[in-house]
Amino acid sequence: AQKVTQAQTEISVVEKEDVTLDCVYETRDTTYYLFWYKQPPSGELVFLIRRNSFDEQNEISGRYSWNFQKSTSSFNFTITASQVVDSAVYFCALSEAGRDDKIIFGKGTRLHILP
Amino acid sequence: EAGVAQSPRYKIIEKRQSVAFWCNPISGHATLYWYQQILGQGPKLLIQFQNNGVVDDSQLPKDRFSAERLKGVDSTLKIQPAKLEDSAVYLCASSLVYIEAFFGQGTRLTVV
Repeated sequence: AQKVTQAQTEISVVEKEDVTLDCVYETRDTTYYLFWYKQPPSGELVFLIRRNSFDEQNEISGRYSWNFQKSTSSFNFTITASQVVDSAVYFCALSEAGRDDKIIFGKGTRLHILP
Repeated sequence: EAGVAQSPRYKIIEKRQSVAFWCNPISGHATLYWYQQILGQGPKLLIQFQNNGVVDDSQLPKDRFSAERLKGVDSTLKIQPAKLEDSAVYLCASSLVYIEAFFGQGTRLTVV
């Protein structure tokens, strides 16, 4: 079954600290796609990254980095030197290639960056 | 490039009334999604279109919700009659095949 679990409901850190958001997924497909989205207080879901199941290389984009490990079915997201503007709800999502491009979301992690 | 457009942004209705939401996807995107996001939860897929055909509507409460995608472009989601538990943000998104979905700003529905 297609499922995304974000065990951390809410996290608070002080500005400039590093923080990691966990994501564990379940899928029967060998070809799938993983995503992270950010939802700031304005409410719009903002796309951050997409990885396909054949590419386990970690990715870094500025202060953001992603660690994809198929062995543990995890796709974790780290923010380095966090800033107040990073405060938002972050969603991990999964799309199975054999499921008509259907995108399933986790329940999200609310991140508070304290000044 | 214009993003996904949704209207209205906010809607307040009484229970048992009807309401409709409109979505205009990004030009050229064949896939269109409607999600329901209840406060404090992740988006839940209601219906997915590929061009003007329905790919998945397994979680759409068909006794009260309906959706259509005219000519494979714009889409309308309707609720009739609304219940209190339908209070949520309704998000429309569009994508190319196997590419990330881009979301509109959503319509916040309050049923009183």
